[in-house]
Amino acid sequence: GEDVEQSLFLSVREGDSSVINCTYTDSSSTYLYWYKQEPGAGLQLLTYIFSNMDMKQDQRLTVLLNKKDKHLSLRIADTQTGDSAIYFCAECPSGTYKYIFGTGTRLKVLA
Amino acid sequence: DADVTQTPRNRITKTGKRIMLECSQTKGHDRMYWYRQDPGLGLRLIYYSFDVKDINKGEISDGYSVSRQAQAKFSLSLESAIPNQTALYFCATSDSQITYEQYFGPGTRLTVT
Repeated sequence: GEDVEQSLFLSVREGDSSVINCTYTDSSSTYLYWYKQEPGAGLQLLTYIFSNMDMKQDQRLTVLLNKKDKHLSLRIADTQTGDSAIYFCAECPSGTYKYIFGTGTRLKVLA
Repeated sequence: DADVTQTPRNRITKTGKRIMLECSQTKGHDRMYWYRQDPGLGLRLIYYSFDVKDINKGEISDGYSVSRQAQAKFSLSLESAIPNQTALYFCATSDSQITYEQYFGPGTRLTVT
């Protein structure tokens, strides 16, 4: 089946960088996404990367894409306590308009 | 006002009861989705709809049904609730533009006792 895999937990100290990793399965996915879920809320799009890009930077966020290994990562620089949340990666295989979400990584930022 | 709303936000029901979760959106999107979230399993797609006349099963549709009453409304029903349907349920919409970003409602926490 189709599985998007992530580690379940990550703990970092405030001010450090966080790196959340994801492996996906469908090389046809045109876009790959990172969503953030804060407690008691739905998911919100954090950033996305087009499949023909290797890297995308958006303020404190850096997305790296390795298409050969089907590996996606999200780096958060200078992690703050407000970054504590669950982060989901997702792919949308070409032509399906259906998302496949990873299991989510719970990021805990320690003060 | 929120673009995607879900009612109720919390519900406790008993095994065997029929329950309906409702979703409304003001974004004007054609595509709507229902997901359930379980700890450690991420989001799994239950049903999705690309317009009022187009309803499709997702990966875990057994025990669920949906109704797309209008472009803006997409309801999820549990015909006979069972305890393993206890979960957090999300409705989402998607634009048909190039990035296909999804917009999520706040979720409904359903407990089946």
